[in-house]
Amino acid sequence: ILNVEQSPQSLHVQEGDSTNFTCSFPSSNFYALHWYRWETAKSPEALFVMTLNGDEKKKGRISATLNTKEGYSYLYIKGSQPEDSATYLCAFLGSQGNLIFGKGTKLSVKP
Amino acid sequence: SAVISQKPSRDICQRGTSLTIQCQVDSQVTMMFWYRQQPGQSLTLIATANQGSEATYESGFVIDKFPISRPNLTFSTLTVSNMSPEDSSIYLCSVRSGAATNEKLFFGSGTQLSVL
Repeated sequence: ILNVEQSPQSLHVQEGDSTNFTCSFPSSNFYALHWYRWETAKSPEALFVMTLNGDEKKKGRISATLNTKEGYSYLYIKGSQPEDSATYLCAFLGSQGNLIFGKGTKLSVKP
Repeated sequence: SAVISQKPSRDICQRGTSLTIQCQVDSQVTMMFWYRQQPGQSLTLIATANQGSEATYESGFVIDKFPISRPNLTFSTLTVSNMSPEDSSIYLCSVRSGAATNEKLFFGSGTQLSVL
């Protein structure tokens, strides 16, 4: 059974704080690692698709790194804003072809 | 990219009844995916809806409980049949789009289902 773990489960930060969270996934049969942001009552939205060991991707104040050998990815948010409040999901895509999602990290940013 | 309209956005249903969820995509796609997120759990794939053939169900999900229709390349429905409180979840439809190494999922806005 493939397992994708995300930590922490939830996070409360003040506006302006920087934060990061972790996604752990199987280190074998790796094809890609996805990050999604899911705001309440909206559609989950893709942030990053990462495929290469050592990949670093950035979108505004959000960035992500990937280590496929040890099976983890970090998502960083610099200078958190209230509009960053959402659940952040990672998903592992292996050779079997289906995305396996973690349970997500719920981020709350207080003004 | 793809834009998906999903409805209803939420519903409260009685035990034993059925609910049909609809998804309309703004472009033609071969496969549509139906996911479920139960409270405190991860997004889990229920089935893949293929146009012109039977849906492909994941382990633990069966056609009698979650019948799917796929009448054309832009539309699909998922029915949650004979509902019980354990079916209370968020249901999402999605499609894949993008170049091979950058292929990602696009989702509908979800259906929040509560079964009493």
